[in-house]
Amino acid sequence: EAQVTQNPRYLITVTGKKLTVTCSQNMNHEYMSWYRQDPGLGLRQIYYSMNVEVTDKGDVPEGYKVSRKEKRNFPLILESPSPNQTSLYFCASGAGAEYEQYFGPGTRLTVT
Amino acid sequence: EDQVTQSPEALRLQEGESSSLNCSYTVSGLRGLFWYRQDPGKGPEFLFTLYSAGEEKEKERLKATLTKKESFLHITAPKPEDSATYLCAVPARSYDKVIFGPGTSLSVIP
Repeated sequence: EAQVTQNPRYLITVTGKKLTVTCSQNMNHEYMSWYRQDPGLGLRQIYYSMNVEVTDKGDVPEGYKVSRKEKRNFPLILESPSPNQTSLYFCASGAGAEYEQYFGPGTRLTVT
Repeated sequence: EDQVTQSPEALRLQEGESSSLNCSYTVSGLRGLFWYRQDPGKGPEFLFTLYSAGEEKEKERLKATLTKKESFLHITAPKPEDSATYLCAVPARSYDKVIFGPGTSLSVIP
């Protein structure tokens, strides 16, 4: 089954404790992306990757890191999470920015 | 600045009452416009891609259309299961980032 998977689905952590949210896709897509979704602010792109080893900032990259060492994986790293990073996070993949994206189920992160 | 807006913010329809949702964009050199459906707490689900003004796509009770400045998602005789948030998105003009509109929350009342 073609899919984008994310783990964990739910995470409660404390300020400053480094965490990683994993994302994997099995569709051989070149393009992968991370979004956060907040009430009243909609979906905002954090980082995207056009291919292995190629990443670029989206609209809200501050406080996040990403890496793309393999085509299928695109982890999101929060090195020192803060409460304002409490949000619903989605990973997505597609053939490119000008093509449709397929989204993962989401990770609900709470930082206390 | 590349921007996507959607209206209305929320729409409440009676079952069977047709209507349209609007997505306006300011990106020049459009490289595609996408419509997604999102159910609460779930990831957006792809509906349509439109690339050229005048293009139309249909799926069940939904039809998407595109002009040079906006797109419409027409919902014909909606059913309660069409209740969801509908999002539109476009690639930015000169980068490979994707910009989403704020969405329209649709409620269809039986």
